[in-house]
Amino acid sequence: SQTIHQWPATLVQPVGSPLSLECTVEGTSNPNLYWYRQAAGRGLQLLFYSVGIGQISSEVPQNLSASRPQDRQFILSSKKLLLSDSGFYLCAWSGPTYGYTFGSGTRLTVV
Amino acid sequence: RKEVEQDPGPFNVPEGATVAFNCTYSNSASQSFFWYRQDCRKEPKLLMSVYSSGNEDGRFTAQLNRASQYISLLIRDSKLSDSATYLCVVNTGGTNAGKSTFGDGTTLTVKP
Repeated sequence: SQTIHQWPATLVQPVGSPLSLECTVEGTSNPNLYWYRQAAGRGLQLLFYSVGIGQISSEVPQNLSASRPQDRQFILSSKKLLLSDSGFYLCAWSGPTYGYTFGSGTRLTVV
Repeated sequence: RKEVEQDPGPFNVPEGATVAFNCTYSNSASQSFFWYRQDCRKEPKLLMSVYSSGNEDGRFTAQLNRASQYISLLIRDSKLSDSATYLCVVNTGGTNAGKSTFGDGTTLTVKP
């Protein structure tokens, strides 16, 4: 069966520091992968999605970037975090027949 | 206007009640529809897909009205464990594309 791993679960980072969140998927090949962010009490905002290695589509311009160095690995990065980057970051993959499966999320607080 | 709109609630209902949520979408080209459940501080989890003919899974019934561009979720015989936020999701690119839009969610609290 397919599983998705995301880490770390929580992160507190100072303003201006770099960020790297990692997500890996097991049990499937060539999945579509996504990074979402959820602000407190709000819905999910799509940040990036990828349909294959090295293929990244950005949905929202900001100081974040994403990379897909391997088929089942998706990384979200920032060179310098802003206070507004705080939120709940969710990695997800989608299969051919139904919607998304989400990782357990990373709760990021920028201080 | 948001692409996908939900009544944020909260809906506070007693155990055993029937409760219904609606979700409207603006893009008439939308192809697939889902309801997700999100518990507090957890990731969303797929509750059910929504089919044109309507579909039922136990106490949950989902319906789609393409003409009026809305989907609904009906929960019968509410349980305490149904307390959560319910997210409506609309996809314009089929089930395997990156064009899903999430509603902000409707919060349900079921009380004893």
